Amino acid sequence: GENVEQHPSTLSVQEGDSAVIKCTYSDSASNYFPWYKQELGKGPQLIIDIRSNVGEKKDQRIAVTLNKTAKHFSLHITETQPEDSAVYFCAASIEETSGSRLTFGEGTQLTVNP
Amino acid sequence: GAVVSQHPSRVICKSGTSVKIECRSLDFQATTMFWYRQFPKKSLMLMATSNEGSKATYEQGVEKDKFLINHASLTLSTLTVTSAHPEDSSFYICSARDPYGRPRAFFGQGTRLTVV
Repeated sequence: GENVEQHPSTLSVQEGDSAVIKCTYSDSASNYFPWYKQELGKGPQLIIDIRSNVGEKKDQRIAVTLNKTAKHFSLHITETQPEDSAVYFCAASIEETSGSRLTFGEGTQLTVNP
Repeated sequence: GAVVSQHPSRVICKSGTSVKIECRSLDFQATTMFWYRQFPKKSLMLMATSNEGSKATYEQGVEKDKFLINHASLTLSTLTVTSAHPEDSSFYICSARDPYGRPRAFFGQGTRLTVV
């Protein structure tokens, strides 16, 4: 089955700096890669996703890049703000039917210091 | 759109009792929902896939008789933790897939279960 590794497990940055979180996946058949933000005591919130036919996607301060050959994908947050502090999870799945499930990374605790 | 609501957000129960958690898709129909368990500072662990009108598919190691899942309608799936014990204390989260066929998944707010 799919295995997703995520690094780093913790990341501390100063407000205004950029943050990068990296994930690798094992199953070359995976073709959908979402990123979730989870605040304490809440469910994960989808912040951005990318399909394997695209190498990069950007949404305001957030961007995701995908390297299919190397099986790497990364989340980039620019101009970080204290409210970006949360746990971020990457995930991978095979886009087929509504039953296909997500395999999650172990999460990254991001702390943005004011 | 694509809002998933979970209830209750917190519940405390005594050992030996059963607890039901509800997961509703508020503005769409979900033929498939997923139930996860999350331990502190850990990732989400898939417990089972809930299929409307049929039996749930459980992941290896998850006790079917312990965690009863019912998906009786296109907008509601329930997870019942039977004969709860303190080790069942955890954060339980449900999710549903995008109603328009895209692979996106939307999550409920989660339920913090504490068994005393």
